[in-house]
Amino acid sequence: EPEVTQTPSHQVTQMGQEVILRCVPISNHLYFYWYRQILGQKVEFLVSFYNNEISEKSEIFDDQFSVERPDGSNFTLKIRSTKLEDSAMYFCASSAGDLSNQPQHFGDGTRLSIL
Amino acid sequence: KQEVTQIPAALSVPEGENLVLNCSFTDSAIYNLQWFRQDPGKGLTSLLLIQSSQREQTSGRLNASLDKSSGRSTLYIAASQPGDSATYLCAPLRYGNKLVFGAGTILRVKS
Repeated sequence: EPEVTQTPSHQVTQMGQEVILRCVPISNHLYFYWYRQILGQKVEFLVSFYNNEISEKSEIFDDQFSVERPDGSNFTLKIRSTKLEDSAMYFCASSAGDLSNQPQHFGDGTRLSIL
Repeated sequence: KQEVTQIPAALSVPEGENLVLNCSFTDSAIYNLQWFRQDPGKGLTSLLLIQSSQREQTSGRLNASLDKSSGRSTLYIAASQPGDSATYLCAPLRYGNKLVFGAGTILRVKS
């Protein structure tokens, strides 16, 4: 069964450094998402992306964050200057459409640790 | 703002029991609701999607119901097995394709 793949599985970065998290969505999917889960807390929506544009973003997704689809297969999340509070599990997801019958499929996540 | 609550927070049952996990949400303007399973340190596996126009959806031993007007969904697991042990999350879908997650129910099925 097709799946969403994320790399790396674990990223350790010094505070203030830039980090790029990578995702390969399911190949025929058109909608892409990033969510995050701080340890012990709920999964939170960050951003949705369609047709090379952000379609929705949360208040968490400030100017430090950006997303890009650099080619036909990858979808990336960049954090420009990481803070300690950015430490979390980051999940990428994709869906075939935005219809109510299209589930979002998630990857296994990237654990980001900021030192 | 959508708030999602899941009850109970944790549940421990002997193998073979049927069980019900509850999810409530404050804003009934949803497009669908997904139930997920999360194993420790892993991603989210989609179990069932129930559209806002549906009342019920079934997959194997799992059955999800949705009462949109009262803001409730339940996940019924029949004949539970130790392999069902995981955290179960419900997430209604709002405008903007945003899933809003509950804190989850941690299920342990004892053999």
